[in-house]
Amino acid sequence: SAVISQKPSRDICQRGTSLTIQCQVDSQVTMMFWYRQQPGQSLTLIATANQGSEATYESGFVIDKFPISRPNLTFSTLTVSNMSPEDSSIYLCSVRREGETQYFGPGTRLLVL
Amino acid sequence: SQQGEEDPQALSIQEGENATMNCSYKTSINNLQWYRQNSGRGLVHLILIRSNEREKHSGRLRVTLDTSKKSSSLLITASRAADTASYFCATDTGGFKTIFGAGTRLFVKA
Repeated sequence: SAVISQKPSRDICQRGTSLTIQCQVDSQVTMMFWYRQQPGQSLTLIATANQGSEATYESGFVIDKFPISRPNLTFSTLTVSNMSPEDSSIYLCSVRREGETQYFGPGTRLLVL
Repeated sequence: SQQGEEDPQALSIQEGENATMNCSYKTSINNLQWYRQNSGRGLVHLILIRSNEREKHSGRLRVTLDTSKKSSSLLITASRAADTASYFCATDTGGFKTIFGAGTRLFVKA
């Protein structure tokens, strides 16, 4: 298994501002991902965070809006830039090791006013 | 886009009854996983079933997989109020990405 922590657990932000979410894993992992869960919806993959290189974004998500860093094998950040109320969601960090099981952090609940 | 579709979207049962949730997907998979989410919190991994497996059990949970029909089911036996949550299926189609279905909201009445 993997123990994943996220900061902050929740935040309320004003539109036009940016928020950086941190994800910390208890040990090195190969794959790290960021997901978004809009209210009442399922999870949508934003991007794969690649260690030492640019993240790989899914269709509909761009680096200017969701810049991602992954400086090492245990840590990643996701920034939600120039926020609007439509960005109000839960943002979840997820990891995989060599096995197939994917584990999730507790999520960051974001409300944009 | 979402890979899996789940039904029902919502399910309400009495404590002690069994709950069955179904998941259908569109493309070939390496494995399928079921997760539980309580009240918008993080996801808890329940079971992983590989494409060459047909059935797996874990405690009160039973998962089946029919790759010919591209479908899976999650059965929770003898449900409890604490089982109230949203349940998601997620498919791994290769490329290390896990794609989620829409989810089933289960409500177990005490």
